[in-house]
Amino acid sequence: DSGVTQTPKHLITATGQRVTLRCSPRSGDLSVYWYQQSLDQGLQFLIQYYNGEERAKGNILERFSAQQFPDLHSELNLSSLELGDSALYFCASKGASSYNEQFFGPGTRLTVL
Amino acid sequence: AQKVTQAQTEISVVEKEDVTLDCVYETRDTTYYLFWYKQPPSGELVFLIRRNSFDEQNEISGRYSWNFQKSTSSFNFTITASQVVDSAVYFCALSDVSGGYQKVTFGIGTKLQVIP
Repeated sequence: DSGVTQTPKHLITATGQRVTLRCSPRSGDLSVYWYQQSLDQGLQFLIQYYNGEERAKGNILERFSAQQFPDLHSELNLSSLELGDSALYFCASKGASSYNEQFFGPGTRLTVL
Repeated sequence: AQKVTQAQTEISVVEKEDVTLDCVYETRDTTYYLFWYKQPPSGELVFLIRRNSFDEQNEISGRYSWNFQKSTSSFNFTITASQVVDSAVYFCALSDVSGGYQKVTFGIGTKLQVIP
């Protein structure tokens, strides 16, 4: 158990809909990262937050947004969903130093029908 | 710019064979950290090892070993006497300070299949 929690574990929805994925980092970790992993694809970095502030953006679509709340949990909002958004979405948290490894949550598997 | 290259997308070996997964990285920083993660078929990502740029000592943990060579910007991972349970996707990652803040970049992953 990495200490990072993600809910829900599975999500099935229809095209055009909007969903929210939730992540709680490990205790004490201020950084949260979101990744998308599509079938047979590597980890695509979406966005990073540090203590409530956005720190880096990767290949995140405009239809997607995220935030980190004062209690450090984070939410990834996906809107106007398309079939191609079906993927495994991972959240990871990390300590303050560069040497800290990322600890990953179990992921949320999103299926868009 | 930060970059991690895992040139081997898929490798198949027969059980008990040794296998090496390659990782080549690019960074402008002199201080950086390298990681390997394992993603078994169940899907979770498991941290395996961390190495900092000032420590070029190789590391061995059971059947796993890592060879870090700054001269070639490589951080290769060897599994000795592979087992079916080693079948997974393995990701190499680089962490440095880019643009004033820490950044983590993952390679595309190498899918290892160990055939019984």
